[in-house]
This record gives sequence, structure tokens and C-alpha cells, in this order.
Amino acid sequence: QVQLVESGGGVVQPGGSLRLSCAASGFTFSTHGMHWVRQAPGNGLEWVAFIRNDGTNQYYTDSVKGRFTISRDNSRTTLYLQMNSLRPEDTAVYYCAKNGQQLLRGSLDYWGQGTLVTVSS
Amino acid sequence: DIVMTQTPLSSPVTLGQPASISCRSSQSLVHSDGNTYLNWLQQRPGQPPRLLIYKISNRFSGVPDRFSGSGAGTDFTLKISRVEAEDVGVYYCTQATQFPHTFGQGTKLEIK
Repeated sequence: QVQLVESGGGVVQPGGSLRLSCAASGFTFSTHGMHWVRQAPGNGLEWVAFIRNDGTNQYYTDSVKGRFTISRDNSRTTLYLQMNSLRPEDTAVYYCAKNGQQLLRGSLDYWGQGTLVTVSS
Repeated sequence: DIVMTQTPLSSPVTLGQPASISCRSSQSLVHSDGNTYLNWLQQRPGQPPRLLIYKISNRFSGVPDRFSGSGAGTDFTLKISRVEAEDVGVYYCTQATQFPHTFGQGTKLEIK
């Protein structure tokens, strides 16, 4: 079965950095695009970034462009999110999600449990 | 960016009764490939989101048939034919027609 397990969250000071990881299993990782989505406490969902299956293209929401970098290691079946210059408004649970294929293309069909990032002094 | 607007934001429903959530996009969600990438997610309390419906009306694996989606262009609807206790949570519409993907504000479904 598909499993996505995020790690790397924690408390960091404003201006600091953090790298999130998402370990994937149960599907052919190298053939699927992957997303990061976040949810601030008590708030709705916000899409953060996407990377194509081979890592050739990345897309970001405007508020993280230039600060966050999405990447992947297909040999390790792991997705990453490098977060620099963190701000208090980046405080959220960060989810990784798998992009569907074929008929499910364009859907985020499986989600991890999330990892909490808190940006605070 | 495409703005997704859901109504209502809160929906108290009696068990066994139907429920309906609307979602409107600020521009057409028809992709150049002819598909409309409008999906619905469910988030139960304390859980991550879960895919319910993809491309307007297709139920994802394991989703009960009391859930249905409809719509076209910029107007979409999620319906639950008979609400059960396990349906409590927040429902989000989301578009994947163009980047950045965007979500509606969420509709909280609760039992009266």
C-alpha cells in the first residue's frame, strides 16, 4: 500500500532553515510527480510546491519562491523541501502528497500524516 | 491565480439527510487537454486530507457511492446523499488545471 512519511519538522527561529523529508513506499516513486501542501494551525490547505517525476520541473506558490526548494532522490524514493529564510507565517503542518497518474492525473491521491514546522523566537 | 470559493462555509446536517457543497472558480477549469481538473478532498478531525472525487465526478478508490460530484466550467457541487457520522469534517475543492494549484476555504460539515 502507498505510504508517505514526512519528517524533519520542528521549532526554528525566524530567518532559520529546515529540511523536510518524505519517505515514499508502495508505488513506483520515479514515475510520479510529488507535491508539498501546508496547513497553518486552524486554517485551510495551501499548496506549496510540485516537482515532476524526473525532477526536471518545479513549481512554487509565490510566497515561498526564492526561499523554498523542492527536490527528490528517486534512488532513495524520498522527496525533500529545503526551507530557508523562514518566517512566522510559514508555521504549519507540511504534507507531502503523491500526484495521480493517467485517469487520476492532476489529483493528489495519497497524503502523508504531515510534519509540524513552527517558526518562532 | 485561480480563486476557489466554497459555499456554505459551515453546514449543520441531520444524520440520514442530504448535504450539498458548492465550489466556484474565478476562471474556467477546462484544461487545454480537454479535462477539467476539479477535485474534492475530505479532512476528518485530526487526520490528513483524503481524495474523494477527481475530475469533477469520479469517486476515488474506497469512497462510498453516497458521495457524488457534478458541474462544469466554473461551477461545481459535491453532494452527500445521506450523511453518516463518519462524514463529519472539512471538505475542500481544489483545482489542478494550472499552477499554482489552489484550494477553496473549506466547508465544515457537522451533525445537528
